[in-house]
Amino acid sequence: GAVVSQHPSRVICKSGTSVKIECRSLDFQATTMFWYRQFPKQSLMLMATSNEGSKATYEQGVEKDKFLINHASLTLSTLTVTSAHPEDSSFYICSAKGTNYGYTFGSGTRLTVV
Amino acid sequence: AQKVTQAQTEISVVEKEDVTLDCVYETRDTTYYLFWYKQPPSGELVFLIRRNSFDEQNEISGRYSWNFQKSTSSFNFTITASQVVDSAVYFCALSHRSNDYKLSFGAGTTVTVRA
Repeated sequence: GAVVSQHPSRVICKSGTSVKIECRSLDFQATTMFWYRQFPKQSLMLMATSNEGSKATYEQGVEKDKFLINHASLTLSTLTVTSAHPEDSSFYICSAKGTNYGYTFGSGTRLTVV
Repeated sequence: AQKVTQAQTEISVVEKEDVTLDCVYETRDTTYYLFWYKQPPSGELVFLIRRNSFDEQNEISGRYSWNFQKSTSSFNFTITASQVVDSAVYFCALSHRSNDYKLSFGAGTTVTVRA
């Protein structure tokens, strides 16, 4: 079945640095990727939608200059958290939209900013 | 706007008990898709089921069953004879065409199964 590989699974970074999270679709072409953020004991909140070869569409309240999304190929989408701060610490998870209106999720990245 | 409501925040049961998770949704679309996902402590989302709005048949898969009722906009999920491994957060989600099929998640229900 469809697999989305997300890396890293866990990252700790210093405040002010940038962190890149990668999501790769291993056996299918993902024309659309979704990026979610999940705070502890909360639901998944959609941050942005990226389509291959075009700019990402951000949800209201999400800073596009802080959360840079690149979807340069049909198999790779990246999320870069720029100038990370402790409040950016969260669980980030990507999802590829597949055929038949289904979705394949990555395994998530737990970001801790110290 | 679309909305998914999971009114139960936490449910605790003893092993072998049945547990039903409620999900109520709102959408103006006639074509939409409903989902259930399981999120164990590891964080990974495990897909359980997808149902489209034109298929109201209930479904059973092992100890899991789903009751889809358009009349009440509900898509409830029952775990029969619960086991400790069923302990997780369960999310109901909705997508529809007018929102570019973005998934909207409910708040989630934490299920704890005690031995």
